[in-house]
Amino acid sequence: EAGVVQSPRYKIIEKKQPVAFWCNPISGHNTLYWYLQNLGQGPELLIRYENEEAVDDSQLPKDRFSAERLKGVDSTLKIQPAELGDSAVYLCASSLSFGTSGVEQFFGPGTRLTVL
Amino acid sequence: AQSVTQPDIHITVSEGASLELRCNYSYGATPYLFWYVQSPGQGLQLLLKYFSGDTLVQGIKGFEAEFKRSQSSFNLRKPSVHWSDAAEYFCAVGARNTDKLIFGTGTRLQVFP
Repeated sequence: EAGVVQSPRYKIIEKKQPVAFWCNPISGHNTLYWYLQNLGQGPELLIRYENEEAVDDSQLPKDRFSAERLKGVDSTLKIQPAELGDSAVYLCASSLSFGTSGVEQFFGPGTRLTVL
Repeated sequence: AQSVTQPDIHITVSEGASLELRCNYSYGATPYLFWYVQSPGQGLQLLLKYFSGDTLVQGIKGFEAEFKRSQSSFNLRKPSVHWSDAAEYFCAVGARNTDKLIFGTGTRLQVFP
């Protein structure tokens, strides 16, 4: 079974430029998460999707961050414009809907963003 | 609100020695508890989880963890560490009415030969 796929693995951009990250969850997983992981810290949830619906985006900085999950499968996270402080690893995770297997989340390898 | 504390930022052990990584949580009810491992440049891999039942849970790679409600702890243990265990370890707590996870700040494990 393929795991969570993320691309690109690494991205270097200049500040004020836009950037987008893509995630393909494990087949059959209805729930998709985007996390931000700063250096030396644990992941912090940015947004959670149940199928196409964003059910928890309270931690997403909506002035510059946006996300979509069209058709309830793949998802894209966008930053526009990027700031120096956005340099971090962006992790995508997926799980079966709560109530089926509980809350076990499977993580992708992440995208390491460097903003110069 | 949920929270997780991992008191040890960095731990160094010799290969073959025993290991215990500490995790304390704050949650108003019985939580879901997880330990994840992250190798450099990799995503997080689930080591083990506690949902209910036996408070001593076994995981992959020879790891185990014990849920102690009275101490609000879920410490990770391994009797004999291998050099390949060097990584970052994260404890996480999940609420039973949502699937939101709160992660600790992690413990970096270094293993000397």
